Amino acid sequence: QSALTQPASVSGSPGQSITISCTGTSSDVGGYNYVSWYQQHPGKAPKFIIYEVNSRPSGVPDRFSGSKSGNTASLTISGLQAEDEADYYCSSYTRSSTLVVFGGGTKLTVL
Amino acid sequence: QLQLQESGPGLVKPSETLSLTCTVSGGSVSSSSHYWGWIRQPPGKGLEWIGSIYSSGTTYYNPSLKSRVTISVDTSKNRFSLKLSSVTAADTAVYYCARPMYSSSLQPFDYWGQGTLVTVSS
Repeated sequence: QSALTQPASVSGSPGQSITISCTGTSSDVGGYNYVSWYQQHPGKAPKFIIYEVNSRPSGVPDRFSGSKSGNTASLTISGLQAEDEADYYCSSYTRSSTLVVFGGGTKLTVL
Repeated sequence: QLQLQESGPGLVKPSETLSLTCTVSGGSVSSSSHYWGWIRQPPGKGLEWIGSIYSSGTTYYNPSLKSRVTISVDTSKNRFSLKLSSVTAADTAVYYCARPMYSSSLQPFDYWGQGTLVTVSS
């Protein structure tokens, strides 16, 4: 069982917006602004798309945004495009001995 | 441009030791002041951080694997390695090497290798 909880799947139509949640505890998501998000297409390595809750690396479209409230972080993708169909993982620093934790992943389907 | 490439056997027998190497190009494992990490992903499942090493040799391991994991660095060959002992079928996974974006930080990971599938089977 993953340390961070994500919904198994979400879906949306092209042009719509979707939000993926990532729930942790005060020891990880809630206690630090070190939440990151990764996008993974089938057979590919994860790609880093959000860091420090709401910052985007260079080259990541501004359709991708992050936020956090309490122990839950969220990834929002606006203006959905077909190429956004992928698995998405959240991650956080944790003050537990595990140090780095990931969510179980969310499969995004673009209808 | 930094590139990471995993290499090693794709098939390991149960109870034996899994050994993988990550070769770094476009950067130096010794001079970059970064940690270098290993992450794995069982087929159809999520990501799991295995551990990380600094160029000085300082290591951090996931407690769930700590008793079986050794990560080392070879600065002369610009690479770092993973050994996982006493493997079982549960260790079957794609193994990734990766580097965090910040120096002296364990995450987030901005550079990843392509991953290598290791199957544990007799």
